Amino acid sequence: QSVLTQPPSVSGAPGQRVTISCTGSSSNIGADYDVHWYQQLPGTAPKLLIYANTDRPSGVPDRFSGSKSGTSASLAITGLQAEDAADYYCQSYDNSLSAYVFGTGTKVTVL
Amino acid sequence: EVQLVESGGGLVQPGGSLRLSCAASGFTVNDNYMSWVRQAPGKGLEWVSVIYSGGSTFYADSVKGRFTISRDNSKNTLYLQMSSLRADDTAVYYCARMILAVKYAFDIWGQGTTATVSS
Repeated sequence: QSVLTQPPSVSGAPGQRVTISCTGSSSNIGADYDVHWYQQLPGTAPKLLIYANTDRPSGVPDRFSGSKSGTSASLAITGLQAEDAADYYCQSYDNSLSAYVFGTGTKVTVL
Repeated sequence: EVQLVESGGGLVQPGGSLRLSCAASGFTVNDNYMSWVRQAPGKGLEWVSVIYSGGSTFYADSVKGRFTISRDNSKNTLYLQMSSLRADDTAVYYCARMILAVKYAFDIWGQGTTATVSS
């Protein structure tokens, strides 16, 4: 069982804005560990989308943005496009488990 | 080009062993933090193990005592030795690099290799 909880699915029409939450606890996100986000297109390896809560690697469109507050983090996708249909995972470190942890994953559907 | 290529997956019986390899190009495995992450069929991502640049190793509780992570500097390759395999170890196994420039996020991933544990 993952210690980071995400909604199983979110959906939106092209052009809309969707957000994905990632809820943790005082031993991971709340302990000030960075949150990273990954996009996994069907049948492919995950790809780093957001690192250190808010930063984008080069090549990632600025339609993707991240935020963090307290024991939670969020990923926002603005101007939703068909190519954004994928699974998204948050990730952090948990000091009670002494382990890197992933969120439960969220499937984004573009209507 | 910075790249990771996994190999070594296959079908193995419960209780058996398998060694996965992850060949790196464009950077030096020994100088970086390297992890294995797995994904069971239809499931989410699960971190398995990490080896830090200094050589320290850590494991998820689910594999502790059964899996061993290691690296070979001469071959610039990361390994995962898996033993006492169980059906719930069936997954695609990815190797991934973690670097300071992205605050040790998993920035480069291999394409994955599939381990299937079944009789």
